[in-house]
Formats: sequence, C-alpha cells, structure tokens
Amino acid sequence: DAKTTQPPSMDCAEGRAANLPCNHSTISGNEYVYWYRQIHSQGPQYIIHGLKNNETNEMASLIITEDRKSSTLILPHATLRDTAVYYCIVRVEEGTASKLTFGTGTRLQVTL
Amino acid sequence: GAVVSQHPSWVICKSGTSVKIECRSLDFQATTMFWYRQFPKQSLMLMATSNEGSKATYEQGVEKDKFLINHASLTLSTLTVTSAHPEDSSFYICSARDLLAGVYEQYFGPGTRLTVT
Repeated sequence: DAKTTQPPSMDCAEGRAANLPCNHSTISGNEYVYWYRQIHSQGPQYIIHGLKNNETNEMASLIITEDRKSSTLILPHATLRDTAVYYCIVRVEEGTASKLTFGTGTRLQVTL
Repeated sequence: GAVVSQHPSWVICKSGTSVKIECRSLDFQATTMFWYRQFPKQSLMLMATSNEGSKATYEQGVEKDKFLINHASLTLSTLTVTSAHPEDSSFYICSARDLLAGVYEQYFGPGTRLTVT
C-alpha cells in the first residue's frame, strides 16, 4: 500500500472549518483513500473514503486532487469533540489481503 | 452501525502469565479480523490478520508463538498473549471486516489496555 504524509499537528478554532491535508504521491490506480480518527484511548473511527471523486457524508468532506496525489479532509464546523488524531490511509479495495496500515497521523486540537 | 466489542477493556497481569483478549462483532459477520497494538504516543501497528477457520497471518517481527490468535467463528476472535512481559504492556485493538457490506469496511473495537507488572 502507498505511504502517506501528514502534518504532525494542527489547531483549529471551534466552529471553524478544519482542513487536514494528506500527500499520497505514490498512490496506485486501484487504491482508495481512507480517513479514520482516534480519540484518546479509544479505537479508530471511520470517517470517509473515496477513489477519485470528492465525497461528502454527515461527518466530513473528502477532496481528492485530479492527479490523486493528495487529498484534504474537511470538517466543516469543528467542535471540541473533534479533537483527535486523524489518519489518512491508502489501500487496495479488493482481496482478503486488503488491510489498513496506519501512519503517524495528524493530531488536531480544536480550541475555544 | 456495525459494532465491535472487546473484553476486557483493561487487564493487569503478572509477568510470566498469559492473558486472553476477546474481540466480537456484535451485529454482523466478520470474515476477517485484524489485531493491532499501540504503544503510548505511537500509531497503531498491525500485528496479524485472521480469517475465520484458518490460521492467522502475522506481520513481520510479530512472534506467532507469543501472540496466539484464534478465529473460530464469524463473530469471535481471541488474542492470547503468552508468557507476558512488561514490554508487552500496550493498547491492543481489534478490527473486523463486514462480510455482507460488499465493501471492505473495517470496524474497530474500543481497545484493551494490558499492563504487565
């Protein structure tokens, strides 16, 4: 699976949009981009995933560049409860060998 | 949504003893379960992948005789840390893949904190 690069930490004011970038310049054509987050001492929580089109759900939006070498996770109105480590992961979708390999992630701190 | 549970949520054991951690998919059938380990201030590291009814596949550097994995049913996988030592103290997290989802979503359990004294 392709490796990803994320900034180690970011701050965001409550109520503002949090934009978390991820570089995945070696992504293959059959690899999806996944985002998970981990709140302190809990298991990871799925947020969103996509292949090449932008995606939106009730939690966030995922913007993938046309060349697919980078993406941005957008939390439109961050709250204190969004403080967590956010992981960007790329992986193939097919096959039982498909697995999630976590990098170091971005620690997002939402402040008042 | 799909729920994965783990038991116990935390455990303290003495060095040299063995401890078993259970991972259950509560409302779906999991063909594949994954076991991760996370040390303080570090990311999750995949330890092994287990498919129901077959032997687990371990990641490089993970001792299969020390971390015994059993995936006997579509809803239960167990991880047994044998002859535990203080360096095995960690946060152990399981993850399950939903067979019926049609996509390869992975759902994570809440984790088990193991402390070996």
